[in-house]
Amino acid sequence: AQSVTQLGSHVSVSEGALVLLRCNYSSSVPPYLFWYVQYPNQGLQLLLKYTTGATLVKGINGFEAEFKKSETSFHLTKPSAHMSDAAEYFCAVSDGDDYKLSFGAGTTVTVRA
Amino acid sequence: DTEVTQTPKHLVMGMTNKKSLKCEQHMGHRAMYWYKQKAKKPPELMFVYSYEKLSINESVPSRFSPECPNSSLLNLHLHALQPEDSALYLCASSPGTGGRNTIYFGEGSWLTVV
Repeated sequence: AQSVTQLGSHVSVSEGALVLLRCNYSSSVPPYLFWYVQYPNQGLQLLLKYTTGATLVKGINGFEAEFKKSETSFHLTKPSAHMSDAAEYFCAVSDGDDYKLSFGAGTTVTVRA
Repeated sequence: DTEVTQTPKHLVMGMTNKKSLKCEQHMGHRAMYWYKQKAKKPPELMFVYSYEKLSINESVPSRFSPECPNSSLLNLHLHALQPEDSALYLCASSPGTGGRNTIYFGEGSWLTVV
């Protein structure tokens, strides 16, 4: 069975600063990894995903994440935060033929002007 | 913009009412899902339909009854709900149910049980 740990339930950054959200996973087989964003009062939107191939994955809105198998991590970064990045971010993992996405607890990002 | 459409966006119902949540996708996806999400928590899987057949029921109380009339539509029938069932209900779809398939979510239906 797979699981996800997101370190830090709340991250506060200044506008223009680096955004770093941490995600560690456990999986008995090679994982498929996802980052979703949820803006206030909305559904979840896919930011990016890793399935196979290149370990540095680029997503929408300037976000990227790097899959590091040796560290079982899939941290999300954005070089320069914008006010519109304020949202809840979920890391998720699935594996093999499993139908189920396992979500982390989520990280709330606030952006200070 | 999401291609999974949910109606209604907001629903208030009494504990004796019967209501339904509706979901539609036109991406040709063969798997559809219902999730429940409480405030500040990740979504919790309720049901999975694969090729219009119910494949997963995550031990959901019978007061929630899913229905998949065709490959594009998914309903969630609600009856005799409790106040603790108040939550955001998210519909989602994916090309298949294998782990590498991306799950696409709708905007959700906010349910309040009074």
